[in-house]
Amino acid sequence: NAGVTQTPKFQVLKTGQSMTLQCAQDMNHNSMYWYRQDPGMGLRLIYYSASEGTTDKGEVPNGYNVSRLNKREFSLRLESAAPSQTSVYFCASSVSENTEAFFGQGTRLTVV
Amino acid sequence: AQSVTQLGSHVSVSEGALVLLRCNYSSSVPPYLFWYVQYPNQGLQLLLKYTSAATLVKGINGFEAEFKKSETSFHLTKPSAHMSDAAEYFCAVSGRYGGSQGNLIFGKGTKLSVKP
Repeated sequence: NAGVTQTPKFQVLKTGQSMTLQCAQDMNHNSMYWYRQDPGMGLRLIYYSASEGTTDKGEVPNGYNVSRLNKREFSLRLESAAPSQTSVYFCASSVSENTEAFFGQGTRLTVV
Repeated sequence: AQSVTQLGSHVSVSEGALVLLRCNYSSSVPPYLFWYVQYPNQGLQLLLKYTSAATLVKGINGFEAEFKKSETSFHLTKPSAHMSDAAEYFCAVSGRYGGSQGNLIFGKGTKLSVKP
């Protein structure tokens, strides 16, 4: 079982460049999430999608956009990368809101 | 709004000793609570969850946690630590129980070291 798949696993960007992080789940989950993880900060929610066709801002949405392409896929876009966006990004999915989330392996992003 | 506090960013135990990782939550309604483990360079894996069925919850790898409403706590324990338990552990609470929107709110994590 693949579960939650994120691509790429590693990425280096220059300040001002754009990129899209891809996420797909094969568990038929309704809800999907993007978190960022920084040392000593735990996981902070960037955006989430409670169900196909809906997206909502989380705790730290500035500088990001998302697209829930279909039930399986939820992408995160950085339009103009900044060094403050250097982080590890995790995509997760759950059957529904407030149930346990299943995580991808993460994308380690460095912005120079 | 719900929140989670994990006491101690680093905990070190000897192999074979008791593991106790502390988590306190704040919630105005009965929450769902979770413990996750993260091994180096990996994603988060669910250890166990509390969803009001039983106050003592058993999880994978010999871990368990007890929900104590009077103390608003959900501490994680394991009777005997193994070297393989060295990882970072996160406590999480459901964002808005029963509401129209929700997600998991995570604590800042506790890094567990196990000494031989």
